[in-house]
Amino acid sequence: GENVEQHPSTLSVQEGDSAVIKCTYSDSASNYFPWYKQELGKGPQLIIDIRSNVGEKKDQRIAVTLNKTAKHFSLHITETQPEDSAVYFCAATPVGANNLFFGTGTRLTVIP
Amino acid sequence: GAVVSQHPSRVICKSGTSVKIECRSLDFQATTMFWYRQFPKQSLMLMATSNEGSKATYEQGVEKDKFLINHASLTLSTLTVTSAHPEDSSFYICSASAVGTVRGNEQYFGPGTRLTVT
Repeated sequence: GENVEQHPSTLSVQEGDSAVIKCTYSDSASNYFPWYKQELGKGPQLIIDIRSNVGEKKDQRIAVTLNKTAKHFSLHITETQPEDSAVYFCAATPVGANNLFFGTGTRLTVIP
Repeated sequence: GAVVSQHPSRVICKSGTSVKIECRSLDFQATTMFWYRQFPKQSLMLMATSNEGSKATYEQGVEKDKFLINHASLTLSTLTVTSAHPEDSSFYICSASAVGTVRGNEQYFGPGTRLTVT
């Protein structure tokens, strides 16, 4: 089955700096890669996703890049703000499957 | 994005009793709903996948007789934890997706239910 690894496990940045979280996946047939933000005591919130026919996608301060050859994808947050502090999870879905295979999460702390 | 609700948000029950958690998709028809369990500072662990009108598919190691899942309509799925024990205390989260549509891969999560068994 699919195996998703995520790094780093914790990340602290100064407000205004950029944050990058990286994930690798094992199943070359995976074709859908969402990113979720989870605040304490809440459910995960879909913040951006990318499909395998696209290399990059951007939504305001958030961007995701995908390298299919290397089987890795990254989340980029620019101009970070304290409200970006949360746990971020990457995930992957193989073709023909409905399940999400989650990474282990990254706790992002933005220091004011 | 789509809206998924969960009820209750928190529940405390005595050991040996059963607890039902509801998951509703409020603005779309969810052909598939998923139930996850999350321990503190850990990732989400998929417990089961349920398709509307069908029996749920449980992940390895998840007791289907203990965690009863019903997905009777396209907007409602329920998880019943039967004969709960303290080790069942956890954060339970559902998600919903509209499989078979253009956005079928996307899963939208509920806010979670904190279960504490005393």
